Amino acid sequence: AQSVTQLGSHVSVSEGALVLLRCNYSSSVPPYLFWYVQYPNQGLQLLLKYTSAATLVKGINGFEAEFKKSETSFHLTKPSAHMSDAAEYFCAVTLTGTASKLTFGTGTRLQVTL
Amino acid sequence: DAGITQSPRHKVTETGTPVTLRCHQTENHRYMYWYRQDPGHGLRLIHYSYGVKDTDKGEVSDGYSVSRSKTEDFLLTLESATSSQTSVYFCAISDKTGRFYEQYFGPGTRLTVT
Repeated sequence: AQSVTQLGSHVSVSEGALVLLRCNYSSSVPPYLFWYVQYPNQGLQLLLKYTSAATLVKGINGFEAEFKKSETSFHLTKPSAHMSDAAEYFCAVTLTGTASKLTFGTGTRLQVTL
Repeated sequence: DAGITQSPRHKVTETGTPVTLRCHQTENHRYMYWYRQDPGHGLRLIHYSYGVKDTDKGEVSDGYSVSRSKTEDFLLTLESATSSQTSVYFCAISDKTGRFYEQYFGPGTRLTVT
C-alpha cells in the first residue's frame, strides 16, 4: 500500500520568499508522485509529476520538486512566492502501472503575505 | 481544461433522502473516479470505473453506489444521505499517456446534508 504525508497543514511566507512544501511518501514499489494545487472553490489542477524520468521535475507557475529516494521525499519548492500562489497544495502517489487509486496527502494551505 | 462537468454544483438535502451526483466528460477517457474532500483528510477515493459497467470500491465506499452505463457519464448515488456525507465531491478522469495515467478533476459538487 502507498501513502503520503504532508508536514504542516498551514504554511505562511512573505511575498518574494522561498516556498517549501514538504511531502514524504511510503511505497513498496517505485511510485509515481504528483503535486496538485487547488484555488478557492475550484477543482484540483496538476502542478507537476514525477514518473521516474528525471529526479528534478519542473512544473507550472515556477514550481519544481525533487524526488529523493533515499529520503522518500518529494518536496515542492518555488524560489520566490507571489500573492497568486496562495492556495491549497496536495501531494499524491500512485503505484507504477496502475490506473487507479491516487492516494492524497491531507494538504497544505499556503498563505502569502505582503 | 479537460472537458469535465459535474451537476449539480451545490445541493442541500435532508437526512434519509436519496441523492445522485452526475459527472460528465467529453474526453472519451476510460477511467473515472469519485472522491470526497474533507478538512484534514485531503481527497479520498469513493469508487472508480475502468470502463462501461466496470466499477470498483475505493477506501470510503460505504453508503455510496455508482453506475456507468455510458463512457461519458459516471453517477454517484447516496441511497440514504447522512450528515457524515456532507462534503465536497470531485469527479476525475484519466487515460493512459505514455507509461502512466494522469488524472484531471472536475469543478466539484458541494453537498450539505441537514
